[in-house]
Amino acid sequence: SQQGEEDPQALSIQEGENATMNCSYKTSINNLQWYRQNSGRGLVHLILIRSNEREKHSGRLRVTLDTSKKSSSLLITASRAADTASYFCATDSTSGTYKYIFGTGTRLKVLA
Amino acid sequence: EAGVAQSPRYKIIEKRQSVAFWCNPISGHATLYWYQQILGQGPKLLIQFQNNGVVDDSQLPKDRFSAERLKGVDSTLKIQPAKLEDSAVYLCASSLTSGTGELFFGEGSRLTVL
Repeated sequence: SQQGEEDPQALSIQEGENATMNCSYKTSINNLQWYRQNSGRGLVHLILIRSNEREKHSGRLRVTLDTSKKSSSLLITASRAADTASYFCATDSTSGTYKYIFGTGTRLKVLA
Repeated sequence: EAGVAQSPRYKIIEKRQSVAFWCNPISGHATLYWYQQILGQGPKLLIQFQNNGVVDDSQLPKDRFSAERLKGVDSTLKIQPAKLEDSAVYLCASSLTSGTGELFFGEGSRLTVL
């Protein structure tokens, strides 16, 4: 079963614009992670935010977490063509097994 | 540092045949995961190992899928017999231990069942 749902499913923007994608999840979590997947490749970890954090930055990435709404957002600023990829959120539940469940993904296309 | 190694990268088989995928995690990583990713979807966890013990296999179709992690290092995932709906990319990932956060993924093994 999918724990997270990303939205939008697909996003197309011009180079230099900002891209925002959202993730909603169902159960209480310890932390939430965002991953990037280039076509035909494995997933690459971008950033982790813990349940007691509200915002985190890493380079051009900004992640927010609202545990009351069970949602997170990933903002990529000043996007580049190389940011074209699928982006997934992954959550672990507080049930104790630390298994990470991935969402459905947002396909981002950055046009040069 | 070497990453997660998987093989084969591609495999095409007929339905009802068997197939095996191999994964070598990053040295020292205690936790190993197998995910199934169907085209256009997010990865779905099949099985999670902590060292050579199974932590979670609740979504592994045990009538046809099996996995083992002997000696707590390498792992193999087997499908027998394969069905058309098993066509997917099988991703292996590892982490230092459960709950430490970042998962490191291999490039995946793409299976096509005809």
